[in-house]
Amino acid sequence: QVQLKETGPDLVQLTQTLSITCTVSGFSLTTYNVHWVRQPPGKGLEWMGAMWNGGGTDYNSAFKSRLSISRDTSKSQVFLKMNSLQTDDTAKYFCARQLAFFDYWGQGVMVTVSS
Amino acid sequence: DIQMTQSPASLSASLGETVSIECLASEDIYNNLAWYQQKPGKSPQFLIYYASSLQDGVPSRFSGSGSGTQYSLKINSLESEDAATYFCLQDSEYPLTFGSGTKLEIK
Repeated sequence: QVQLKETGPDLVQLTQTLSITCTVSGFSLTTYNVHWVRQPPGKGLEWMGAMWNGGGTDYNSAFKSRLSISRDTSKSQVFLKMNSLQTDDTAKYFCARQLAFFDYWGQGVMVTVSS
Repeated sequence: DIQMTQSPASLSASLGETVSIECLASEDIYNNLAWYQQKPGKSPQFLIYYASSLQDGVPSRFSGSGSGTQYSLKINSLESEDAATYFCLQDSEYPLTFGSGTKLEIK
């Protein structure tokens, strides 16, 4: 059974660093790509970046300077780290599996950036 | 970046009716388009890929069509469980971009 589950803080202070973990099961990170997508309250979805099955990464240039994605294949985990958080980074953060398209998503974690 | 313009933002329809949702891309995306359904508090569910291919397990009342820059999702014979937000995703070019979503209410 394919599952993705995001875990992370509910609240992060302004200018601090956000760390979220996507733990997957039912598939291998060396076969499927895992992407990060976020959705601010009441707004649309925004693609953030990807961890490719071969271990490389790609980022949306809107985040490139402050976003980092990594993984631990032995633990079936993909990590998102984003620094210098601002209030407009308040959003629900999702991870999603991709081979051709995103076929499975996690339920997301809502993160509020507080001043 | 490819802009995806989705319409309408919301719609209300009765049980048994048929509705359509449109996504217009700012350039040709060569059918690299998927549709998703999202219910509050739940993860998005994959409905359609390559513009018109139905994902396994998705009811046949859902269908997708289009080409070039214009794509649509049609839902026939609406059921109460179809109340949700629907959005499109273009996978033709990075950065991937999404439509803004359509909230479907069932009367």
